[in-house]
This record gives sequence, C-alpha cells and structure tokens, in this order.
Amino acid sequence: RKEVEQDPGPFNVPEGATVAFNCTYSNSASQSFFWYRQDCRKEPKLLMSVYSSGNEDGRFTAQLNRASQYISLLIRDSKLSDSATYLCVVNRGSSGSARQLTFGSGTQLTVLP
Amino acid sequence: DVKVTQSSRYLVKRTGEKVFLECVQDMDHENMFWYRQDPGLGLRLIYFSYDVKMKEKGDIPEGYSVSREKKERFSLILESASTNQTSMYLCASTLGGYEQYFGPGTRLTVT
Repeated sequence: RKEVEQDPGPFNVPEGATVAFNCTYSNSASQSFFWYRQDCRKEPKLLMSVYSSGNEDGRFTAQLNRASQYISLLIRDSKLSDSATYLCVVNRGSSGSARQLTFGSGTQLTVLP
Repeated sequence: DVKVTQSSRYLVKRTGEKVFLECVQDMDHENMFWYRQDPGLGLRLIYFSYDVKMKEKGDIPEGYSVSREKKERFSLILESASTNQTSMYLCASTLGGYEQYFGPGTRLTVT
C-alpha cells in the first residue's frame, strides 16, 4: 500500500463549481499534513497546511480525519486559475522533521469555462 | 522572495555518462533535498542534506550521490546514467519548517 494515496483524476469541473479531493495516508504516526499545488510544467508550491481543527483560506478548506487517516481539500467557486495538480503531503515521522515528507502522486483538476 | 535555481531545464545524456545536476538557493536555508518525479509515483526523495558536508539517503538513493560543499549549493550526481533514470529532477530547500521551496526542475533524458 502506498504511504499516501490520491485519486489521480482528472477532475473536470465548470467555473463556479465546488470540488473536493480526498487523500489517505497509511502511517498513523504522521503528525503534519499539507496540500501543495503544482501547475503544468512548474514546481510544486505550498497551498496550505492542514490542522486538526480544519482550516480555511478564502475559497479553500482543508480537513483532517485522524480516525480514518484521510485529509481533504474543498475548493468553492472554482476559477479557471485553479486548474492544476494538487499534491497531498504528509509528514511521515513523529519528529516533525521536514525531511520526512511523503508526497502523493497528485490529483489533476481542470476548471472549464 | 526565496529563489531556488537549477543548472539546466532540459538535459539529454547517453547511457553510462556521469551527470551533474546543480541546485543553488539564495535564502541561507540549512536543509536541501533532491527528488525525482515520475507519472503516477509522485515525488520520491533521493537524498537530503541538513548542513554543509552532511547528507542522508532518502527513499531511492541507488545510482545517485550528492555533494554539499557550500551551504547554498547542493549537487546530485548520477555516476553512470541509465535509461531508468530518465525523469524530472526537483531540488528543494527549507529553513527547517515544512514549506519546501522548489526549483523549476530538470527534465533529464538518458538515451
């Protein structure tokens, strides 16, 4: 089983739609969780961290479910500029070291006009 | 603004050649990483370095070595390139937190 699993998509949604991605992780000792965004032919960039209580940044909401070992990303009112690949990232150790990040293979989103 | 640069965007090498990929960051970050990214497999950690001359193996170090002689520079070396090392190589750096800053990547093709 992969350490971090994501539905690869692609998700094709119209502008203004709400879309949600899930990601499951296998290591119950993981403490920190993130979503990175990767545009086509570009490098990944941090989108947001995922906290136990859930967190929101504008149109983006991230949730963590430790019992079921999954995290989610919800995008409301999708924009064309949201088209990208979204990478689920998990800190695999309990030490919290950045060098123990595991990246999912990504979920591709295309927002259509 | 953090800047991570990589020596080449595209590289074509022959099987058996020694290949050097260089990465430079301008933010005095302690930690630097080399990943490779392949379709369906995500980013996989090859090596990382948490200080000058210090390095640790990641998940897939076989066939690679690294060098960090100066804090700002982290080099990935393919001792004898093989076709299965054709991939996108991404360098990243971080001060010690979780936000890793990535370079633009080097797409390496080994023929």
